[in-house]
Amino acid sequence: EAGVTQFPSHSVIEKGQTVTLRCDPISGHDNLYWYRRVMGKEIKFLLHFVKESKQDESGMPNNRFLAERTGGTYSTLKVQPAELEDSGVYFCASSQRPGAGELFFGEGSRLTVL
Amino acid sequence: GDSVTQMEGPVTLSEEAFLTINCTYTATGYPSLFWYVQYPGEGLQLLLKATKADDKGSNKGFEATYRKETTSFHLEKGSVQVSDSAVYFCALSTGFQKLVFGTGTRLLVSP
Repeated sequence: EAGVTQFPSHSVIEKGQTVTLRCDPISGHDNLYWYRRVMGKEIKFLLHFVKESKQDESGMPNNRFLAERTGGTYSTLKVQPAELEDSGVYFCASSQRPGAGELFFGEGSRLTVL
Repeated sequence: GDSVTQMEGPVTLSEEAFLTINCTYTATGYPSLFWYVQYPGEGLQLLLKATKADDKGSNKGFEATYRKETTSFHLEKGSVQVSDSAVYFCALSTGFQKLVFGTGTRLLVSP
């Protein structure tokens, strides 16, 4: 069975540009999460989808970030316009049951904003 | 708010040495506690967990005991291998569908 896949693995963009990160969860996992790790710091929660609905988006840093999960399958996270402080590794995770902790993570998408 | 504090890395050990990575937490309520590991080039994997006080989680020779009185969940392994080189993250969950992570501790094991 395929795990959580993320694309791209690494993106380098200029400040002010737009980037879209994609996450394909494990098939059948209704719960999808986005997390972010800024250089050397802790991994922080961004948001949680249950199917196509946003269950909790309390961790989204500002309105430059837009997450979608059309049809309850894959999810995208768009950053527009990107700022220097958005650089980091964006992790996606999915789970079958809603209880946190039993999460399956992707390898992460590294974003570098110059 | 809830938080997790881990010891700074990197931790550098020789093969077969004893490992301890300290983790303490602050949380309201009664959190579940976790250790995740990220091997080079891979995503985070759940290593072990404990859901209540005095529980011991264990996996692959690693152990951690949920200590409510000291709010700690230290990771230990009696004899590390080169293949254990990775970044280890302590985390907690208070049941609100999300994890709170520490900053991660890089472990480097040399032959």
